[in-house]
Amino acid sequence: DQQVKQNSPSLSVQEGRISILNCDYTNSMFDYFLWYKKYPAEGPTFLISISSIKDKNEDGRFTVFLNKSAKHLSLHIVPSQPGDSAVYFCAASSSTSGTYKYIFGTGTRLKVLA
Amino acid sequence: DTGVSQNPRHKITKRGQNVTFRCDPISEHNRLYWYRQTLGQGPEFLTYFQNEAQLEKSRLLSDRFSAERPKGSFSTLEIQRTEQGDSAMYLCASSSSGWSGNQPQHFGDGTRLSIL
Repeated sequence: DQQVKQNSPSLSVQEGRISILNCDYTNSMFDYFLWYKKYPAEGPTFLISISSIKDKNEDGRFTVFLNKSAKHLSLHIVPSQPGDSAVYFCAASSSTSGTYKYIFGTGTRLKVLA
Repeated sequence: DTGVSQNPRHKITKRGQNVTFRCDPISEHNRLYWYRQTLGQGPEFLTYFQNEAQLEKSRLLSDRFSAERPKGSFSTLEIQRTEQGDSAMYLCASSSSGWSGNQPQHFGDGTRLSIL
C-alpha cells in the first residue's frame, strides 16, 4: 500500500528552465509535507516543507504547491541549475500519529542539462 | 550545528553475524528516527525515540532488530543473525519538537550494510 507516490522515475530539464516534480498521496490524515534532495552516497537533505493549512510555500528557487482536494503536491525549481541534478523524494506525515514519522515516495531522478 | 553523524559508513559482514550501528543526532534534538532504504525505494520508517523512550517500532523491525537511545543522546541499532535481506542503507534522522510539532527531520549520511 503505497501511500505516497512519485509516478515519474526520472526527469530531464534544460538549464535555466523550470523543473516540476510531482507527488500524490492517498492518506487524508497527512498534514505536513516535505521535499528532500539526495545525492549519491549522502543522506537526504531537507529542501522545503508545507503544512496542510497552506497551499504554497516558497524558498528562493524552490516552491512547493499543495492541492489537498486532489491529494497532490508539486515542487517547482526555477531556474534549474546543473547542481540540482539529484534524486528528489517527497515525504508526508500526520500529526495524529504522535511520532511525526515520514512516509516517503520512491523518488524522481532529476537531470539538469547544461 | 555539526549535523547528524552515523558510524560506520559502510559495514560488510557474513550472514549470521551481529552488527551494530551508531547515530549521533544534532545535539538539541529530542526526536530520533531510524529508517531503512533499499535500491529504488524511498526510506522506510523503522523506529522512533523521543528522548530516551522508544515510542514506536515498525512491523519491519523483526525481533532480530533492537534499538536503544540511552540518556536520550546517541542511538544504536543492532541487527542479530543478519540475513541477506538485511542489506540496505540504514539512515538516522533527528528533529526538535517545535511549537507546532511538525519540524523537518535532518538525516545523516547513513550506514550501508552489505551481507555476504
